[in-house]
Amino acid sequence: QVQLVESGGGVVQPGMSLRLSCAASGFTFSTYVMHWVRQAPGKGLEWVAVIWDDGSNKYNADSVKGRFTISRDNSKNTLYLELNSLRVEDTAVYYCAKEARLGIDWYFDLWGRGTLVTVSS
Amino acid sequence: SSELTQDPAVSVALGQTVRITCQGDSLRNYYGNWYQQKPGQAPVLVIYSKKNRPSGIPDRFSGSSSGITASLTITGAQAEDEADYYCNSRDSSGNHWVFGGGTKLTVL
Repeated sequence: QVQLVESGGGVVQPGMSLRLSCAASGFTFSTYVMHWVRQAPGKGLEWVAVIWDDGSNKYNADSVKGRFTISRDNSKNTLYLELNSLRVEDTAVYYCAKEARLGIDWYFDLWGRGTLVTVSS
Repeated sequence: SSELTQDPAVSVALGQTVRITCQGDSLRNYYGNWYQQKPGQAPVLVIYSKKNRPSGIPDRFSGSSSGITASLTITGAQAEDEADYYCNSRDSSGNHWVFGGGTKLTVL
């Protein structure tokens, strides 16, 4: 079954850290670019980070630069997001998403169900 | 990074046609994609690369693009189409991705 399953969310205090995981199955994980996208309560989708299929390139949104780190372990079919120096405004559901490509266009063709991160004192 | 602009809310009578639009400079270089999200659920891709429908998406959903505007059209809207719709593309740098603010579609 083709799916992505996120885990690792929870309630943390401001300034603390958390690591999210995304387990992939049903497709050749090591050949796909992967992303994290988040959604604050009642708000829209916000792209967070991307990592190339071989891990050679990574980019973050400006809002998380220097605090969040995306990584992957292709031997374990797992994507990660390390969240450091968490802020209240980082409270959101975090989704991992698989990228597909058509010519020069890129789109997210598979999403996980998300994991909720709540940052609160 | 670029921004994508969507109308916050749109309504349509049952069975009628509705167009949801998305504007942004990055759409000069990249075709837009569209996602449907219902409450409590993950987003689902409904249109990719301007006008392509994934398997399982009804043909009442269609996409188009002109200049800096991408459009999602639902022809004969159904009650189950009531949802939030988001456009997205890569930004002008090519190394970031952006989403529109979302459009809440109400089917009357």
